Amino acid sequence: GIQVEQSPPDLILQEGANSTLRCNFSDSVNNLQWFHQNPWGQLINLFYIPSGTKQNGRLSATTVATERYSLLYISSSQTTDSGVYFCAATNAGGTSYGKLTFGQGTILTVHP
Amino acid sequence: DADVTQTPRNRITKTGKRIMLECSQTKGHDRMYWYRQDPGLGLRLIYYSFDVKDINKGEISDGYSVSRQAQAKFSLSLESAIPNQTALYFCATSDPTDYQYFGPGTRLLVL
Repeated sequence: GIQVEQSPPDLILQEGANSTLRCNFSDSVNNLQWFHQNPWGQLINLFYIPSGTKQNGRLSATTVATERYSLLYISSSQTTDSGVYFCAATNAGGTSYGKLTFGQGTILTVHP
Repeated sequence: DADVTQTPRNRITKTGKRIMLECSQTKGHDRMYWYRQDPGLGLRLIYYSFDVKDINKGEISDGYSVSRQAQAKFSLSLESAIPNQTALYFCATSDPTDYQYFGPGTRLLVL
């Protein structure tokens, strides 16, 4: 099945700083989603982005499907951005169709 | 109302007990999923169902069973719970573009 790798595994920021999280995937994708898992364990959908660029407030994401990576940008970080960020993808075909494979996540800590 | 609901939200049980986790969705989608998350790890797929008559094993199905009672309902059972099944369990549903909507999760502790 598809492999999904995220980097960095941990990231510590001062409030107001910008950051970039990376997601590499091993095969063509039908779906790529970014999630934020808050300290209470809830998964928050950030972006559905199998290709192209999207922006939502201080967050934006870009997926370059031909080069098999996606980037999540967080600008002017806030303490509420702390948590774990997951990238997940479904393979475009074969037996993995429709099944999300998650990366290991990036743990983000934003200090005031 | 939430698109995907899970009950219970928290559960403590003892080794050997049978328990059921329930999931309901109001999106009208055919596809539903159960995932498990262990501390420090991403989610892993337990079972998935692409319609009411379709049930498939995922990456880690041993020790689990599921029932798709209706398009909107997908239940996960642990026939005989063991401590290493202590985890956070998520249910999800997806639309035809594979966009997945997740429930709030169920924290399960097996003593």
